[in-house]
Amino acid sequence: EDQVTQSPEALRLQEGESSSLNCSYTVSGLRGLFWYRQDPGKGPEFLFTLYSAGEEKEKERLKATLTKKESFLHITAPKPEDSATYLCAVQATSGTYKYIFGTGTRLKVLA
Amino acid sequence: EAQVTQNPRYLITVTGKKLTVTCSQNMNHEYMSWYRQDPGLGLRQIYYSMNVEVTDKGDVPEGYKVSRKEKRNFPLILESPSPNQTSLYFCASSLLDRPDNEQFFGPGTRLTVL
Repeated sequence: EDQVTQSPEALRLQEGESSSLNCSYTVSGLRGLFWYRQDPGKGPEFLFTLYSAGEEKEKERLKATLTKKESFLHITAPKPEDSATYLCAVQATSGTYKYIFGTGTRLKVLA
Repeated sequence: EAQVTQNPRYLITVTGKKLTVTCSQNMNHEYMSWYRQDPGLGLRQIYYSMNVEVTDKGDVPEGYKVSRKEKRNFPLILESPSPNQTSLYFCASSLLDRPDNEQFFGPGTRLTVL
């Protein structure tokens, strides 16, 4: 069964304190792994798509990496405006176009 | 402005009273999808559609119906709502041939079934 697990559930950082969020996945074959950011009361916003192990993508203070079993979202020198819930999702190559989301990591960056 | 719209944004109803939540996108996207979001369970896909007249089940389709008669619209129908369908619902859409397969999400519909 396709599955996505994110850790930690919640993370509090001081402004400038770098850290990483983890997304472990189990799929029969990976079509793509996706990272989204969700602010309270709003719909998720797209951040990155990764397709193969070894791939990396960067955007401002965020960097996403992918291995055959997990993905990391590295946050470098975070600011309070980076506070949000970060969601990871996968799409498998099993003949469907379903998305499986993890339960997210709630990030709070303190000034 | 490119967007996904949902209506209504908030709805309180009673058990068994049929309701429809509308979803519309103006980006000519082939792929549309419905999700529900519940505390501790995350975002779960209900149904998705690859194009007009093509729909398929997600992980939690029980109790829901969808239709895709036009490319821009993808309504979610609850024929006999029950309290366990109280949730925050999101519609999303995307192109199928973009390199990143980015999904654009609507603002959400908060549904309470009494």
